Amino acid sequence: LAKTTQPISMDSYEGQEVNITCSHNNIATNDYITWYQQFPSQGPRFIIQGYKTKVTNEVASLFIPADRKSSTLSLPRVSLSDTAVYYCLVEYGGATNKLIFGTGTLLAVQP
Amino acid sequence: ETGVTQTPRHLVMGMTNKKSLKCEQHLGHNAMYWYKQSAKKPLELMFVYNFKEQTENNSVPSRFSPECPNSSHLFLHLHTLQPEDSALYLCASSQEGGGTYEQYFGPGTRLTVT
Repeated sequence: LAKTTQPISMDSYEGQEVNITCSHNNIATNDYITWYQQFPSQGPRFIIQGYKTKVTNEVASLFIPADRKSSTLSLPRVSLSDTAVYYCLVEYGGATNKLIFGTGTLLAVQP
Repeated sequence: ETGVTQTPRHLVMGMTNKKSLKCEQHLGHNAMYWYKQSAKKPLELMFVYNFKEQTENNSVPSRFSPECPNSSHLFLHLHTLQPEDSALYLCASSQEGGGTYEQYFGPGTRLTVT
């Protein structure tokens, strides 16, 4: 049974780097990993997507080890406005009907 | 503003009512989705439409009935709901094909069933 798991919560301070890990043991060869950010009363917003090794954009990096059974979202120098819930999404089997969101990680950034 | 709008933003309905949720995307995408988000649970995919054709129904009870008249509009018709159906219902769209995709979500409809 495909499952995507994350830590429930994390705490950090402004200016620190935050790493959030997602476990997806049943990921297949062609499955993509996507991370979303969600603020209260809003829909999730795309952050980054990757398939293997490392992907970097203007807001985050995504690290995927060779076995692809986990992935790590890295947020450099977080600020108070990064306080939100972060979800990983795995498209198991390469088909839209196997989209499994993780349980979500509440990141609380302190001053 | 993500280019995906949902109405209404809040809805309170009794178990015997019939109501509909509406979603519209202004992004030219070819796929649309309904998700349910309950408290302390991950987002659950309910329905997927690709090029107006329903490609998946993830064991959703028949009291939820989707409709996709064109690639820009998606409805979720509700009837005889249960209190446990109270949740945030999110609509999303994406452009399928090419190997990768990014979903754009609307703000959601907060549904309360009394």
